[in-house]
Amino acid sequence: DVKVTQSSRYLVKRTGEKVFLECVQDMDHENMFWYRQDPGLGLRLIYFSYDVKMKEKGDIPEGYSVSREKKERFSLILESASTNQTSMYLCASSFEFQGESPLHFGNGTRLTVT
Amino acid sequence: AQSVTQPDIHITVSEGASLELRCNYSYGATPYLFWYVQSPGQGLQLLLKYFSGDTLVQGIKGFEAEFKRSQSSFNLRKPSVHWSDAAEYFCAVVPHNTDKLIFGTGTRLQVFP
Repeated sequence: DVKVTQSSRYLVKRTGEKVFLECVQDMDHENMFWYRQDPGLGLRLIYFSYDVKMKEKGDIPEGYSVSREKKERFSLILESASTNQTSMYLCASSFEFQGESPLHFGNGTRLTVT
Repeated sequence: AQSVTQPDIHITVSEGASLELRCNYSYGATPYLFWYVQSPGQGLQLLLKYFSGDTLVQGIKGFEAEFKRSQSSFNLRKPSVHWSDAAEYFCAVVPHNTDKLIFGTGTRLQVFP
């Protein structure tokens, strides 16, 4: 079974802090994704990566960056956390891009910025 | 505007009752269609998907969905709901000639004993 592991379940950070959210998958998937989930808005794509050291902006990349130095690890970085980045963050991976094969999700990191 | 719509934010059913969750899309050509489920405290899990062919699709956990081109709909159904089905359900589409997965806003299902 594919496992996508997000390093933290809950995080509380202060405004202005630099925040790292880590995600690791164990199935050698090429594609990895970061979404944020907010009530009434569903899931919105922040960034994705289809190969090591490759990254593409999603729908809401402002205020975020990503890093993919190894195939299994995809990090989301909040350069200077703000209260409007309080949200649930979900990492996902897939063998083929987007709809061709299912996304496998981690359990999420609930980030609170105070 | 192109979109995927789940008109019901919250649905409550009794255990053993039938269930239908609605999903409509507004794209010119038929997109790829998906249903995902998110149990409390978990990530999302794929229930079923439709690419082409038979318009009635069977998924995991006893769910099925029917694609209706004339109604631009892909509604999720289950004949008899179990308490463990309480979760949030997301419809998603990959529009034709794109490789971008777009999620609906979700429907939260509550099941009463």
